[in-house]
Amino acid sequence: EAQVTQNPRYLITVTGKKLTVTCSQNMNHEYMSWYRQDPGLGLRQIYYSMNVEVTDKGDVPEGYKVSRKEKRNFPLILESPSPNQTSLYFCASSLSTGGYEQYFGPGTRLTVT
Amino acid sequence: GQQVMQIPQYQHVQEGEDFTTYCNSSTTLSNIQWYKQRPGGHPVFLIQLVKSGEVKKQKRLTFQFGEAKKNSSLHITATQTTDVGTYFCAGIPWSAGGTSYGKLTFGQGTILTVHP
Repeated sequence: EAQVTQNPRYLITVTGKKLTVTCSQNMNHEYMSWYRQDPGLGLRQIYYSMNVEVTDKGDVPEGYKVSRKEKRNFPLILESPSPNQTSLYFCASSLSTGGYEQYFGPGTRLTVT
Repeated sequence: GQQVMQIPQYQHVQEGEDFTTYCNSSTTLSNIQWYKQRPGGHPVFLIQLVKSGEVKKQKRLTFQFGEAKKNSSLHITATQTTDVGTYFCAGIPWSAGGTSYGKLTFGQGTILTVHP
């Protein structure tokens, strides 16, 4: 089944404790992206990747890191999480660039205390 | 930077009534996508519009892209309870040097509630 998977689905952590949210797709998609969703703000793009080893900032990259060492994986790293990073995070992928249908993962709900 | 405004933020309708959500970009778009997110779910792609003035239909849903490629709308005719959810538009900015199809800017979304 074609899908985007994220882990963990739920995470409660404390300020400053490094964490990684994994994202993996099995559709051989070139493009992958991370978003955060907050009430009243919609989805905001954090980082995107057009292909392996190619990443670029979205609208809200501060406090986040990403890497794209393999085509299928695009982990989101929070080196020192803060409470304002409490949010619902979605990973998405598409065939090639953002100009194609994006497939979203199920989401990761992160709480930073 | 590019901004995409979507209105209304909330819409409550009786089943059978029509519904429209509007999306306006501060800059010219290359194309625009529409997504639906059911409560507790993830966004699901509905459609993409590329051409100026384009109109596309999917059963009871009608999507339009403005002539200036800066606005778009989604209209649902005779809403059903299955239409409940949040509808998002997502714009990809146009650039003279060739479109960089990496960055997408989503609108804030319109939350649709349908009363049976």
